[in-house]
Amino acid sequence: DADVTQTPRNRITKTGKRIMLECSQTKGHDRMYWYRQDPGLGLQLIYYSFDVKDINKGEISDGYSVSRQAQAKFSLSLESAIPNQTALYFCATRAGADTEAFFGQGTRLTVV
Amino acid sequence: AQRVTQPEKLLSVFKGAPVELKCNYSYSGSPELFWYVQYSRQRLQLLLRHISRESIKGFTADLNKGETSFHLKKPFAQEEDSAMYYCALIGLGGGKLVFGKGTKLTVNP
Repeated sequence: DADVTQTPRNRITKTGKRIMLECSQTKGHDRMYWYRQDPGLGLQLIYYSFDVKDINKGEISDGYSVSRQAQAKFSLSLESAIPNQTALYFCATRAGADTEAFFGQGTRLTVV
Repeated sequence: AQRVTQPEKLLSVFKGAPVELKCNYSYSGSPELFWYVQYSRQRLQLLLRHISRESIKGFTADLNKGETSFHLKKPFAQEEDSAMYYCALIGLGGGKLVFGKGTKLTVNP
């Protein structure tokens, strides 16, 4: 099921580097989300977007930025990566209220 | 503020035993509640939602507004149920989807 696709799947980067994680979907959903997953901390919401012109901060947006280039694309950027941003990042989409979320495969990011 | 609490990080049971994964929430309005499951090396997927009141893979969950809980239950656990389970809530506006910290369920043979 490649409806929600994240690239890259794995990435190792150095402290201070800028990095972008990309998410694209073919489900035609308006709502898109970025989460990070850490052992013991579960899924924490970074940013979410209702449509191209509506972007909202989540619980842990500091150090991150996003861009909704089109309905189907939602990118997450780390302007200056730091080691504690090492995590598994997930993108998700939803059609609207009362609907389930569909997740990408995840991007494993390591900052050294 | 929306908050989901899953008090157990780890839960271990034997095959055939009943299992209950706890979820409590904090939200001032009427929430939508979900359980998601993540099997090893797979993406998260929906297990069930409270509005559908259905049973999936033998799991059920009842919303208790008085206790602000949405516990997940299964009468007879199977080894293939071993996974991470996340409780999630959508609140006002139907947009912000918030997850608990998850419970890792291990079903032993």
